[in-house]
Parts: sequence; C-alpha cells; structure tokens
Amino acid sequence: DADVTQTPRNRITKTGKRIMLECSQTKGHDRMYWYRQDPGLGLRLIYYSFDVKDINKGEISDGYSVSRQAQAKFSLSLESAIPNQTALYFCATSDPSYQETQYFGPGTRLLVL
Amino acid sequence: SQKIEQNSEALNIQEGKTATLTCNYTNYSPAYLQWYRQDPGRGPVFLLLIRENEKEKRKERLKVTFDTTLKQSLFHITASQPADSATYLCAPNTGFQKLVFGTGTRLLVSP
Repeated sequence: DADVTQTPRNRITKTGKRIMLECSQTKGHDRMYWYRQDPGLGLRLIYYSFDVKDINKGEISDGYSVSRQAQAKFSLSLESAIPNQTALYFCATSDPSYQETQYFGPGTRLLVL
Repeated sequence: SQKIEQNSEALNIQEGKTATLTCNYTNYSPAYLQWYRQDPGRGPVFLLLIRENEKEKRKERLKVTFDTTLKQSLFHITASQPADSATYLCAPNTGFQKLVFGTGTRLLVSP
C-alpha cells in the first residue's frame, strides 16, 4: 500500500461549494504539508503541520483551512471554492531526521466551475 | 524575497548523452538542497540531497553539485535513457524547516 494516500483523486465542484481533500499517511511522520501545483508556478505551500497541535500557514493560505485529526491524517478544506483554486493538490510528509525529505501523495486534481 | 530559478524550457537530449539541469537561487543561503523527479500527474519523488559543505553527491547515474558561491546546483544524469524523461525539481531549504520548490525543468530523452 502507498505510504501517503489522498482522496478523492479527482473532483469537480461548483463555485461557492465547500469541499474537503483528505490525506492519510502510514510513514509515522509528525510533519505533514499541503501544496498546490499550477502550470508555470510550481509547488506552493498552503499549510503545514509539525505535529497534531501545531498548524501553520504557508505562502498561499487564503481561502483554505486545514484540520489535523491525528498524526496520520491531515485534511484541507476549501470553504467556498472559486475557479482560481482549480489546481493539482498534493499532500506530503517529511522526515526531520533527514533534512525534511518529503514524501508526496498521488495528488488530487480539482476543477472548480 | 527568496527566489529559485530552473530553466522553464524543456531539455531535449539523445539517449546515452549526459543531461545537465541547473538550479539557481537568490537572496538566501540554504543549508542543503534536494532534487526530486516528477512524472506527469504524479507526486514528486525524492532523488538526492546535498549539504552546503558537500561539493558533489552521486547516486548511480545521478550526480549533484552545490556551489554556494555561485548560488547554484547542477543535476547530471549520465548515460540518459528514455525512462529518465520527467520533470526535475530542485528544492533548497528555507532555514525554517521547510523546502521551497523550483518550477522544474522538463527533460525529454529520445531513443
């Protein structure tokens, strides 16, 4: 089984809808991240969490919120989706014992109409 | 602000040749730098890490260099194969226990 899983893998939603993207990991890492990837802009950090009680904003957190339900679970919510949130979303974990090497999930492709 | 630059144009090479990809950074001094491979529609996969006190790191056909004076890392794939075709991302650390990813360079290896 994959170490980092994301659900759903693909999602189409309408402007104004609330949606949640979920991430689970079996690597036992405390640190988890949410990124979005857009063509030409690369990976940009939305939120990150260094443990269950520690959640931090990344460079593009506006319009997003997160929940760290357990060490293994980190969810990303779009409270009111807008078309420019159409992107590929990745969850990742990192290993602090090896300079934060990141392990990515397969991604969620989100389309906001 | 911190800036990372990778060649946005695809690099096309023939099978068997050495591919060299460049990562330049400005306005900070990372303690280490990582390289990742990303295939279309998939998450990046870690390849190599090099620390600021290391000039060169090798792993099989891969080699990474790190020049802190030039603020540049070079990523080499020797004896390239069509299966090496992918996008390669560099990711220096920010000093806040996070990485910043470049936009990546797409490598195309033709038979």
